[in-house]
Amino acid sequence: NAGVTQTPKFQVLKTGQSMTLQCAQDMNHEYMSWYRQDPGMGLRLIHYSVGAGITDQGEVPNGYNVSRSTTEDFPLRLLSAAPSQTSVYFCASSLGSRRGTIYFGEGSWLTVV
Amino acid sequence: DAKTTQPNSMESNEEEPVHLPCNHSTISGTDYIHWYRQLPSQGPEYVIHGLTSNVNNRMASLAIAEDRKSSTLILHRATLRDAAVYYCIPSFSNNDMRFGAGTRLTVKP
Repeated sequence: NAGVTQTPKFQVLKTGQSMTLQCAQDMNHEYMSWYRQDPGMGLRLIHYSVGAGITDQGEVPNGYNVSRSTTEDFPLRLLSAAPSQTSVYFCASSLGSRRGTIYFGEGSWLTVV
Repeated sequence: DAKTTQPNSMESNEEEPVHLPCNHSTISGTDYIHWYRQLPSQGPEYVIHGLTSNVNNRMASLAIAEDRKSSTLILHRATLRDAAVYYCIPSFSNNDMRFGAGTRLTVKP
């Protein structure tokens, strides 16, 4: 059972570079989201999607873009990486925004130097 | 958003019960109370959730105060694998989930 799969697991970027964190789920979940977790802190919501073609901003959306062209995939794009974006990123999915357990991926550790 | 207060850390002995408290005095009437936990170097995982009545599942029990301003997660027999950060989250929808700092539970053998 794959669940929520994130790639890459580890990445080092230089300031100003762009990259995409990939997220895929195989549970036919409508709702997907991205969180970041800074050291010793809780998770903060970046962007979320309630279905293919629909995305919205969370708590900390600046510096990130998302798209949802399919139900399965929800990539997170860093447009111009900054050291403040050094964090662990978690992708998550659930049946709907108001129903179902949230399932999280294993995380992507990103360092921006 | 409902504000939550949880102890920063708690300790327990293995095979003893653990009661993890959470205050959420500003919870709205439609918010569910969710509990998730995060094991080291992993994403959070669901533990339990409830609205008004106490809830039990294979992992834990959730006791909700009658006025819903507080709740307690009960692990009946803590194991070493239960060492994690536990998050209490009052929320109506998944895009309103606010993971605070949580309670770091240490389980001693």
